[in-house]
Amino acid sequence: GENVEQHPSTLSVQEGDSAVIKCTYSDSASNYFPWYKQELGKGPQLIIDIRSNVGEKKDQRIAVTLNKTAKHFSLHITETQPEDSAVYFCAAVPTSGTYKYIFGTGTRLKVLA
Amino acid sequence: DTEVTQTPKHLVMGMTNKKSLKCEQHMGHRAMYWYKQKAKKPPELMFVYSYEKLSINESVPSRFSPECPNSSLLNLHLHALQPEDSALYLCASMQSDRGSYEQYFGPGTRLTVT
Repeated sequence: GENVEQHPSTLSVQEGDSAVIKCTYSDSASNYFPWYKQELGKGPQLIIDIRSNVGEKKDQRIAVTLNKTAKHFSLHITETQPEDSAVYFCAAVPTSGTYKYIFGTGTRLKVLA
Repeated sequence: DTEVTQTPKHLVMGMTNKKSLKCEQHMGHRAMYWYKQKAKKPPELMFVYSYEKLSINESVPSRFSPECPNSSLLNLHLHALQPEDSALYLCASMQSDRGSYEQYFGPGTRLTVT
């Protein structure tokens, strides 16, 4: 079945450094790739997304890149801050039929002050 | 406004109890979702309602019963749960048409079954 691999499972960086989280998907029908940030005790929050007709998207310190040929997409956070500490989930979504989200396994990011 | 609200925030129930979780959105979204999330795991899809009709049931046990009274409300009725059903229950909504695929999640209900 469809799956999304996400790496690393945990990531510790010093404040001000960059963090990169990578996902690989299997379903060729996936055309939409959102990223969620989940803080402790809260629901997932959509932070950035990308569609298959775009290779890169940036929003301030956050960027996402997509290589549709290789079925890879990545989240890049620059100038990390302690408040970036959270669990991050990627997802791959087919944009026809059920729009069922296939989530990655999550990355726990710790930004050390 | 991209707010999805859920009540209650916390719920403790015995295995013989009947309780309900509620979810509400006023974004005009036509698809609504229930997810179950265990600690350190991604959300796991349970049910999808599209235009107030149940479109996906991910083989969820019948002790979980969803209901969509109208396009803004989603309920999850709970009966005779097991301790392993303890988890964070998340509601989400999505526009689902006009090329909009973003799902917005509520804060969740932390359920403990004793």
